[in-house]
Amino acid sequence: GAGVSQTPSNKVTEKGKYVELRCDPISGHTALYWYRQSLGQGPEFLIYFQGTGAADDSGLPNDRFFAVRPEGSVSTLKIQRTERGDSAVYLCASSALTVYEQYFGPGTRLTVT
Amino acid sequence: DAKTTQPPSMDCAEGRAANLPCNHSTISGNEYVYWYRQIHSQGPQYIIHGLKNNETNEMASLIITEDRKSSTLILPHATLRDTAVYYCIVRMTLYNQGGKLIFGQGTELSVKP
Repeated sequence: GAGVSQTPSNKVTEKGKYVELRCDPISGHTALYWYRQSLGQGPEFLIYFQGTGAADDSGLPNDRFFAVRPEGSVSTLKIQRTERGDSAVYLCASSALTVYEQYFGPGTRLTVT
Repeated sequence: DAKTTQPPSMDCAEGRAANLPCNHSTISGNEYVYWYRQIHSQGPQYIIHGLKNNETNEMASLIITEDRKSSTLILPHATLRDTAVYYCIVRMTLYNQGGKLIFGQGTELSVKP
């Protein structure tokens, strides 16, 4: 079946601009996670949704970062006033329940110039 | 912070077993040991997990010491496609904990012909 998909695969934006990154989880998965991975580092947790609500947003670095999942399926990560330090690969994962293994998408590579 | 310690890199000859160690001396009784791997330019992929008993699936075997302070992931017949970064993660999988993954630096496994 279809896995987790993320769009776009690559995004280049100028410093100060607004960007949206989209995640389509595996159908029926109730839990959705966002991670960020900088070059040479392991993925870093950002936020977790159970259904439509953000159950844990403790990993969001500051208030420029926001994520939504209005219908409990697709999620969008939004970054305002981008900075060069936001450049990274943004990964999305979903799982059937939070106790189960997470399936990751291929990621969106964000480059802020 | 990650609760695990892994060697930064390892080599393995193609066709031989790859044994990847992980120390998790502060693991608590309700935390599981999970292994993921990340092939270059892809999202992390779930391999296996366990609590205290040894586990085996089609990809690998997981050996957990009796005191649970360390474990070893075994790839019985490594192939070139197993070249990846392998992450050992301790994770609480109670429903209300969210189950976010805390990645460390991982072990970069190079399988050589």
